Amino acid sequence: QKEVEQDPGPLSVPEGAIVSLNCTYSNSAFQYFMWYRQYSRKGPELLMYTYSSGNKEDGRFTAQVDKSSKYISLFIRDSQPSDSATYLCAMSLSGGYNKLIFGAGTRLAVHP
Amino acid sequence: NAGVTQTPKFQVLKTGQSMTLQCAQDMNHNSMYWYRQDPGMGLRLIYYSASEGTTDKGEVPNGYNVSRLNKREFSLRLESAAPSQTSVYFCASKVRRTGVDEQFFGPGTRLTVL
Repeated sequence: QKEVEQDPGPLSVPEGAIVSLNCTYSNSAFQYFMWYRQYSRKGPELLMYTYSSGNKEDGRFTAQVDKSSKYISLFIRDSQPSDSATYLCAMSLSGGYNKLIFGAGTRLAVHP
Repeated sequence: NAGVTQTPKFQVLKTGQSMTLQCAQDMNHNSMYWYRQDPGMGLRLIYYSASEGTTDKGEVPNGYNVSRLNKREFSLRLESAAPSQTSVYFCASKVRRTGVDEQFFGPGTRLTVL
């Protein structure tokens, strides 16, 4: 079993839809949770991060962490065609710990 | 400020050939990483370097070697390429911030081994 599980999709939604992307994990010691966005044929870039449990909002994006369920989510409101990308969750044991564990990534397509 | 650069962008090798993937960053970061990305597998860590002069194995180091040439450059070498090493390779560097360590990725090298 992988440490981090993520549905690869693809997920296809109309412009303006609310998108929910999710990851589950098995290691209860993970403390830092991140979402990276990767456009086609580009490297990933950090989109959002949260520490421990709770929510974090940044514009149209909201990241949620439920440590009791070992479940993290990324919500995208009013989705735009420019949001079409692969979204990878990532997590680590601590801020100083060198290794990130990535999910497989979910491919999202937002069509006009 | 170019960020993280990688060369080459594309490469085709025959089984048994060797090659070196180059990576450089101009952000003065101490830590650098090499990942491979395969369909359905996500990013897997091959090797990392926490600081100049140190390197450590990641999740999938077999068949690879690395050199941290200086603070800017971190190269990945395939001594005898195998078809299983067909993948997209990403180099990254890391900065410590309050609350999170952020990794910055290069554009990737697409490698095909025939």
